[in-house]
Amino acid sequence: DIVLTQSPVLAVSLGQRATISCRASQSVSISSINLMHWYQQKPGQQPKLLIYRASNLASGIPARFSGSGSGTDFTLTIDPVQADDIAAYYCQQSRESHTFGAGTKLELK
Amino acid sequence: QVQLKESGPGLVQPSETLSLTCTVSGFSLTSNSVHWVRQPPGKGLEWMGIIRSGGSTDYNSALKSRLSISRDTSKSQVFLKMNSLQTEDTAIYYCTRGVYYGLLDYWGQGVMVTVSS
Repeated sequence: DIVLTQSPVLAVSLGQRATISCRASQSVSISSINLMHWYQQKPGQQPKLLIYRASNLASGIPARFSGSGSGTDFTLTIDPVQADDIAAYYCQQSRESHTFGAGTKLELK
Repeated sequence: QVQLKESGPGLVQPSETLSLTCTVSGFSLTSNSVHWVRQPPGKGLEWMGIIRSGGSTDYNSALKSRLSISRDTSKSQVFLKMNSLQTEDTAIYYCTRGVYYGLLDYWGQGVMVTVSS
């Protein structure tokens, strides 16, 4: 099974840049297609799709969110961080079956 | 618009079988896959399994021996059955639509299931 590793917590100040990483135990890319996706989950809510295929913004998601990476290393960037962005963020791979990372909780410094 | 709604018992006895239903609208089960994902209280997301548009299934290897996913396309419903429940199966259970490349674009609100005697 492909294991996705995320740092559990990231503390950031409002208006600053947040960089959340996700490392896969093996490549989740096929040719130029990166099968890595990102979700945001606020307390008491279901997860919401933010970024698909590593770098594509989902419908209705603000442009301050962006994604990058390929192979085994991926990054979700929020710039600038707003109060509404305080949430948990999960990466998910669909290269081999499906797995989620353990999530990164974005907190205010 | 696309909607998914989970339903089922809120409380299940240990060792018994969990049965959940996901009722979808706004899309066809023969055009999209449906996944089940669960989340224990205060913990992260765990992918459980998928039923694809053609009806084939795939399961998390850790749950495979206990889990079954099926559907009734005429009723736009997907079913989850998991046996031999233990307290660690206490979680919110979500159904979610899968689209091309395996991303999950619409999620139900989830149903909380507690395993307790």
